[in-house]
Amino acid sequence: DAGVIQSPRHEVTEMGQEVTLRCKPISGHDYLFWYRQTMMRGLELLIYFNNNVPIDDSGMPEDRFSAKMPNASFSTLKIQPSEPRDSAVYFCASRQNQETQYFGPGTRLLVL
Amino acid sequence: QKEVEQNSGPLSVPEGAIASLNCTYSDRGSQSFFWYRQYSGKSPELIMSIYSNGDKEDGRFTAQLNKASQYVSLLIRDSQPSDSATYLCAVSKVGDMRFGAGTRLTVKP
Repeated sequence: DAGVIQSPRHEVTEMGQEVTLRCKPISGHDYLFWYRQTMMRGLELLIYFNNNVPIDDSGMPEDRFSAKMPNASFSTLKIQPSEPRDSAVYFCASRQNQETQYFGPGTRLLVL
Repeated sequence: QKEVEQNSGPLSVPEGAIASLNCTYSDRGSQSFFWYRQYSGKSPELIMSIYSNGDKEDGRFTAQLNKASQYVSLLIRDSQPSDSATYLCAVSKVGDMRFGAGTRLTVKP
């Protein structure tokens, strides 16, 4: 298996622009997580899905952030409009039941 | 109070020594506990999981869990320079998994 796939790996955008991050979980995994990592705040859980259904989005910082999982093999995290404070590494992770959670390589986002 | 707390370090130990990493959590309903290692610029990778009170050993790594004290620890024996990384404690209740801020470990040759 190719593992969790994220795209793009790097994104540089200007304040106010829309940013869409993409994730393909490991096949057969029923949980999908979106995290944000910064030096100041560490690794924060933004939202997670179980069987494509959002279960807990309490970590989503603002209405500017939204996430979808239209099917078992694809999820998006969208920021609109983006702000410089959104600059971070965004990780997607997946797992099956309560088994090991695997992380994707991350998307490094820089908002100018 | 943060849900998962770790000493941010940095922690520095000489090669061959024992490195001790500690973590406390706030939710008594937590059921599963994990230690992840993250090298600079890379994604976290699982090194140990523990679900019941006591010790669990895997090679040079030993995880310890004390649910009454809400405390998890990781011991690394015979530390190697390749162990230099940030170690993240993670706690899971049902479904979710939340992480501490991480402890940066440096093993000096």
